[in-house]
Amino acid sequence: AQSVTQLGSHVSVSEGALVLLRCNYSSSVPPYLFWYVQYPNQGLQLLLKYTSAATLVKGINGFEAEFKKSETSFHLTKPSAHMSDAAEYFCAVSGVPSETQLVFGAGTILRVKS
Amino acid sequence: EAGVAQSPRYKIIEKRQSVAFWCNPISGHATLYWYQQILGQGPKLLIQFQNNGVVDDSQLPKDRFSAERLKGVDSTLKIQPAKLEDSAVYLCASSSGPPDTQYFGPGTRLTVL
Repeated sequence: AQSVTQLGSHVSVSEGALVLLRCNYSSSVPPYLFWYVQYPNQGLQLLLKYTSAATLVKGINGFEAEFKKSETSFHLTKPSAHMSDAAEYFCAVSGVPSETQLVFGAGTILRVKS
Repeated sequence: EAGVAQSPRYKIIEKRQSVAFWCNPISGHATLYWYQQILGQGPKLLIQFQNNGVVDDSQLPKDRFSAERLKGVDSTLKIQPAKLEDSAVYLCASSSGPPDTQYFGPGTRLTVL
């Protein structure tokens, strides 16, 4: 069974600092990996996805993530945090294209300090 | 392009009452999902539809939860009777197919007292 572990339920950074949100997955098949962001009282918005093309994936709002098979990781980064990045971030995994179900991690709340 | 619509946005009920949530997916999206998101946790899939057929409902508590997707478009999720532990945000998502980009609605926040 697939699973996702997000290290750190809360992360706090200063505005302008590097953002690093950690995600490790377990999957018996080559995975498809996703990062979603959830702002208060809103649904989930896709930030980026890895679908076995380039291992470094660029997403919206300056975020990117790198797929590392040897480490079973898909960490999310942003060089410089902005106040508007404060939200909850979810990492998710799915199997081959015919398996369309997503398994989510527990989420990481990002706080950005001014 | 209009997003996934859900209603109501908020609902407060007493335990043992019934409640229904409605979802309208993005036009043309054949696959529809219902998720339950309990506070402090990631979304958990309850049921997946492909057009108007059920693909997977293995995590749906069928003694109290039911869902339907008539005509392969709108969907309704019902809880009867509700328990305290059903308090959560219920998210609807839709997708057009692989590689599985799911688009989420704003969710319905249910509070069971």
